Amino acid sequence: GENVEQHPSTLSVQEGDSAVIKCTYSDSASNYFPWYKQELGKRPQLIIDIRSNVGEKKDQRIAVTLNKTAKHFSLHITETQPEDSAVYFCAAGSGGSYIPTFGRGTSLIVHP
Amino acid sequence: ETGVTQSPTHLIKTRGQQVTLRCSSQSGHNTVSWYQQALGQGPQFIFQYYREEENGRGNFPPRFSGLQFPNYSSELNVNALELEDSALYLCASSFGSFSGANVLTFGAGSRLTVL
Repeated sequence: GENVEQHPSTLSVQEGDSAVIKCTYSDSASNYFPWYKQELGKRPQLIIDIRSNVGEKKDQRIAVTLNKTAKHFSLHITETQPEDSAVYFCAAGSGGSYIPTFGRGTSLIVHP
Repeated sequence: ETGVTQSPTHLIKTRGQQVTLRCSSQSGHNTVSWYQQALGQGPQFIFQYYREEENGRGNFPPRFSGLQFPNYSSELNVNALELEDSALYLCASSFGSFSGANVLTFGAGSRLTVL
């Protein structure tokens, strides 16, 4: 089955800096890569996703890049704000009966 | 449009007991997936139900079982509770099809503590 590794486990940045979280996956059949944000005590919420037919996707301050050859994908957050502080999870899966495998999460701390 | 709702939000059980967790899927969704999230970990897939049939199962023992009802709501049952079952149980609904991956919408979870 799919195995997703996520790094780093904790990331501390100053407000205004950029943050990058990286994930690798093992199953070459995976073609859908969502990122979820989970604030303390709240449900995971989708913030951005990318499908394997594109290499990059951007939504305001958030972008995701995908390298299918190397089997890795990354989340980039620019101009970080204190409200970006949360745990971020990457996931990978394939179409059909989509059952994503999640990474262990990255705790992002943005210091004002 | 309503979101995914789960009940109960918190519960405490003792070892050996049984528990039933409930999930109402988002309007328009026909697929429900259950995840276990231990403290400080990512969600671990338990199983998925599509049109009332189990559609996939993760690495969990048979004492974890589930149901999906005609209205697409779902239950997760855990028998013979063990201490390591203490976790947040997340339900996620989606519109399942065979044309591609579909976005999961999560509920707020049920926090289970086993003493």
